[in-house]
Amino acid sequence: AQTVTQSQPEMSVQEAETVTLSCTYDTSENNYYLFWYKQPPSRQMILVIRQEAYKQQNATENRFSVNFQKAAKSFSLKISDSQLGDTAMYFCAPPLTGNQFYFGTGTSLTVIP
Amino acid sequence: DAGVIQSPRHEVTEMGQEVTLRCKPISGHNSLFWYRQTMMRGLELLIYFNNNVPIDDSGMPEDRFSAKMPNASFSTLKIQPSEPRDSAVYFCASSSQRDYSGANVLTFGAGSRLTVL
Repeated sequence: AQTVTQSQPEMSVQEAETVTLSCTYDTSENNYYLFWYKQPPSRQMILVIRQEAYKQQNATENRFSVNFQKAAKSFSLKISDSQLGDTAMYFCAPPLTGNQFYFGTGTSLTVIP
Repeated sequence: DAGVIQSPRHEVTEMGQEVTLRCKPISGHNSLFWYRQTMMRGLELLIYFNNNVPIDDSGMPEDRFSAKMPNASFSTLKIQPSEPRDSAVYFCASSSQRDYSGANVLTFGAGSRLTVL
């Protein structure tokens, strides 16, 4: 069975510090995209960053970057200079089967002032 | 663009009643997804439409659940009869799928919180 694993149910980080959220997955696809979504207390799902599997360069979006290890099927999210507004649930979403987006169970991140 | 619009935002109903959740995707998007979110199971993909056609409904929990997409601008998720274990937040999302590589981003609605008493 194809799976998405986020092994850290909860994490916390001091404001202005750096935190890394992990995600591993299983897929038989070779070319695909991977995504991280954020869900703040407002419950709205917001795209944080996406990575193209055929690109070796890791994606970066301002304070957010990924460490994509295709062979290891690992896709972690690094948040630098954490801000209070980063407090949210973070979901990893690799497209495991065609265009069907399956999400991990999420990591609840709390930024501590 | 107003984004993906879901209604109602909140629904409280009694066990056995029919519940209909509605979704208007972003204009021009040809893929639509229904998800259910609970504390226990996280985000579950229920069903996925492409060009108004259901592609995979294997995530639909049981026959009490049904989804339709009569046209490109409207979809419904119906639960009949509803049960307390159906209480969850139901999300609709849409994307503009050009191919099956997953190259397009999901845009989510704000969700419908369902409580079945």
